[in-house]
Amino acid sequence: AQSVTQPDIHITVSEGASLELRCNYSYGATPYLFWYVQSPGQGLQLLLKYFSGDTLVQGIKGFEAEFKRSQSSFNLRKPSVHWSDAAEYFCAVGANSGYALNFGKGTSLLVTP
Amino acid sequence: DAGVIQSPRHEVTEMGQEVTLRCKPISGHNSLFWYRQTMMRGLELLIYFNNNVPIDDSGMPEDRFSAKMPNASFSTLKIQPSEPRDSAVYFCASSSLNEQFFGPGTRLTVL
Repeated sequence: AQSVTQPDIHITVSEGASLELRCNYSYGATPYLFWYVQSPGQGLQLLLKYFSGDTLVQGIKGFEAEFKRSQSSFNLRKPSVHWSDAAEYFCAVGANSGYALNFGKGTSLLVTP
Repeated sequence: DAGVIQSPRHEVTEMGQEVTLRCKPISGHNSLFWYRQTMMRGLELLIYFNNNVPIDDSGMPEDRFSAKMPNASFSTLKIQPSEPRDSAVYFCASSSLNEQFFGPGTRLTVL
């Protein structure tokens, strides 16, 4: 069965500092991996996705993520955080691009001045 | 395209009442998903359709929940009778080959 773990429930970073959000997955085959962002009262927006190929994936808003099969991880990074990045971030895994997703519990990001 | 459209955006009802949530997927998408989001359980898949056919409804909590997709442009999620523990945000998503697009959600409060 697929599962996703986001170890950090809350993270606080200063504006301009770098960010890394952790995501570990459990899946028997090559997973389809996603990062979504949710602003308060909003739906989910896709930041980036990994299906195959280059393990470093670039997304929108300056985010990137790296797939590490040996560590079953897909961590999200941003070199310099902006106040507008404050939101809830969800990692998700799917068996196929068109199949339903299993989401992690999310990491809430707070950005301080 | 307007994206995935959900209605209503907010619903407040009393326990025992019937609730119907509606979703219009993005035109051309052949898969549709209903998710529920709560603080305790996070985002959970309730059911998904492929080409209007229900594929996996194992996430539907109980018989009080039902979902239909009568055509490619419309789906409903019905709760009858509703209970306070059904209070949550319900998201509809539709997908093309490589990405699920989420609607803004319906915030349901059952008193």
